Amino acid sequence: AQSVTQPDIHITVSEGASLELRCNYSYGATPYLFWYVQSPGQGLQLLLKYFSGDTLVQGIKGFEAEFKRSQSSFNLRKPSVHWSDAAEYFCAVGEVAYALNFGKGTSLLVTP
Amino acid sequence: GAGVSQSPSNKVTEKGKDVELRCDPISGHTALYWYRQSLGQGLEFLIYFQGNSAPDKSGLPSDRFSAERTGGSVSTLTIQRTQQEDSAVYLCASSLVGTGGQETQYFGPGTRLLVL
Repeated sequence: AQSVTQPDIHITVSEGASLELRCNYSYGATPYLFWYVQSPGQGLQLLLKYFSGDTLVQGIKGFEAEFKRSQSSFNLRKPSVHWSDAAEYFCAVGEVAYALNFGKGTSLLVTP
Repeated sequence: GAGVSQSPSNKVTEKGKDVELRCDPISGHTALYWYRQSLGQGLEFLIYFQGNSAPDKSGLPSDRFSAERTGGSVSTLTIQRTQQEDSAVYLCASSLVGTGGQETQYFGPGTRLLVL
């Protein structure tokens, strides 16, 4: 069955530290891949997406993600986290871009 | 410009009642999507509208759920005979187009539904 897994429910990092949020998927072919962020009281905002081509994609707010076909992963990274990055992060996957299957989310806490 | 708006922001209803949730997409966006976010779960795709094409209803969990999009703009998601398990945040999104894989979905703030 098709699935999206975000193994980490909560992650805590210190401000200025690097961040990696994991996303694994189970799909038959290379799907469309997205990362969204949901800040408190805000709607979901697209950080970045991968459809094809270069497997390292750059997004907004200094985020990047790398598609690894062999590992069926699409992990989100940021070299230096800011306090304003504290939010809920969702990985989304779909065989078509309009019918996305979202992970359960990873809640990021940033400490001083 | 204005983003996707949804109303009401919160809705409390009694089990067995019908509810209607409204979504106003971004002006000019031809594609509209409904998702459900249940407590502790990821977002679940419900339905997708693209222009005048027949909607993709493959994500609707039961025949109690229906949605329409009037005039290619505003959409209403209707849940009949609500059950407690319908309690969730219902999110609407819109995009410029729905095919080609290049569209970006812009999400509304959601409607938080509580069925007592």
